[in-house]
Amino acid sequence: ETGVTQTPRHLVMGMTNKKSLKCEQHLGHNAMYWYKQSAKKPLELMFVYNFKEQTENNSVPSRFSPECPNSSHLFLHLHTLQPEDSALYLCASSQAGWMGGANVLTFGAGSRLTVL
Amino acid sequence: QKEVEQDPGPLSVPEGAIVSLNCTYSNSAFQYFMWYRQYSRKGPELLMYTYSSGNKEDGRFTAQVDKSSKYISLFIRDSQPSDSATYLCAMTRPPETSGSRLTFGEGTQLTVNP
Repeated sequence: ETGVTQTPRHLVMGMTNKKSLKCEQHLGHNAMYWYKQSAKKPLELMFVYNFKEQTENNSVPSRFSPECPNSSHLFLHLHTLQPEDSALYLCASSQAGWMGGANVLTFGAGSRLTVL
Repeated sequence: QKEVEQDPGPLSVPEGAIVSLNCTYSNSAFQYFMWYRQYSRKGPELLMYTYSSGNKEDGRFTAQVDKSSKYISLFIRDSQPSDSATYLCAMTRPPETSGSRLTFGEGTQLTVNP
């Protein structure tokens, strides 16, 4: 496996379910991100982890709970979601500690979430 | 007001056409400018990035930044059906002010017809 792998690719859940999205990167990066992509909207940054520590939470509702057990794995735990949370959730990774250069993100293919 | 404005299209062109994709922005602190390409059912992939003003060319693709006008462009020469995708502009401030935050445009959906 190479790059950034996300599972599952598609997920349908009810508003009372608990589910998790998984992301794994094989690039040796040490920063990982969750983004939300909705139709007709720019990518929305949700969470950032640098060296397993959360460094950004972009005012995300608590029904989304991230977990980063190590620099290669990132999870997004989902609980009591709303229909408006239906979107494509993208994981990305980059080399943390970038200075004086572009922060180049490598994205996974995304997990398409539908909340009924 | 959005920090980055991008016309979502859709844009449809015949094969071989020159395509121009554009973004405007409001924050003069942006220094790195990127273009990502996203095929259907895939994640975005970095196409090109430029630092500050100027042009950068890579094959059929040219990225242009005009900081005085707060305007960036991506030109695709001799467009091919395989260029059909959504193109996202993204930009970032210096790392000491923004950490890891990229600001994305909405994306422009491009279709190149054979």
